Amino acid sequence: GAVVSQHPSRVICKSGTSVKIECRSLDFQATTMFWYRQFPKQSLMLMATSNEGSKATYEQGVEKDKFLINHASLTLSTLTVTSAHPEDSSFYICSATLDGNTEAFFGQGTRLTVV
Amino acid sequence: ILNVEQSPQSLHVQEGDSTNFTCSFPSSNFYALHWYRWETAKSPEALFVMTLNGDEKKKGRISATLNTKEGYSYLYIKGSQPEDSATYLCAFTNFGNEKLTFGTGTRLTIIP
Repeated sequence: GAVVSQHPSRVICKSGTSVKIECRSLDFQATTMFWYRQFPKQSLMLMATSNEGSKATYEQGVEKDKFLINHASLTLSTLTVTSAHPEDSSFYICSATLDGNTEAFFGQGTRLTVV
Repeated sequence: ILNVEQSPQSLHVQEGDSTNFTCSFPSSNFYALHWYRWETAKSPEALFVMTLNGDEKKKGRISATLNTKEGYSYLYIKGSQPEDSATYLCAFTNFGNEKLTFGTGTRLTIIP
């Protein structure tokens, strides 16, 4: 199956700094990627849809200036958590699909801890 | 607001026994229902994508059914093995929308 690689898997950063998370489709071109966040014992919550060559579409309640998404190529989307605070500590995971409504391929996820 | 419910939240099953769990979802404007298996420290892996009412899909000892009119899907595991231990997620999409809405998952533990 298709492979999506996410990096880093874990990151600890100081409050006020920014953290960049990368999501790469290794063997296919992904015009659309999705970024999710998961709080403990909750479901994966869609944060935004990343579209290659255009602005990301953010879900209601997600601050676009806080969570910067860049999808500059067909194989790479990045999520930057800007001016991170402890409440941003969470599990972030990306996914991509080959087309419309087929199965999604997920990255390994990133555990972010802001201290 | 879309709401996907999964039950039970967690489940312990003796090795060799069969088990099943449920995913319920809004039936209006339905397009597709996905099942994923998420093992610890790995990426979620797709098991099934189902679109038609009455669909039944099977992959080895795992199978799933779909009822779009009443808005539920069952996942069955026959003869559970330790490697089946994982969190099973379901998600659905609306017609014309790629976005997946996930349930909270069922955490399955197989007891040797």
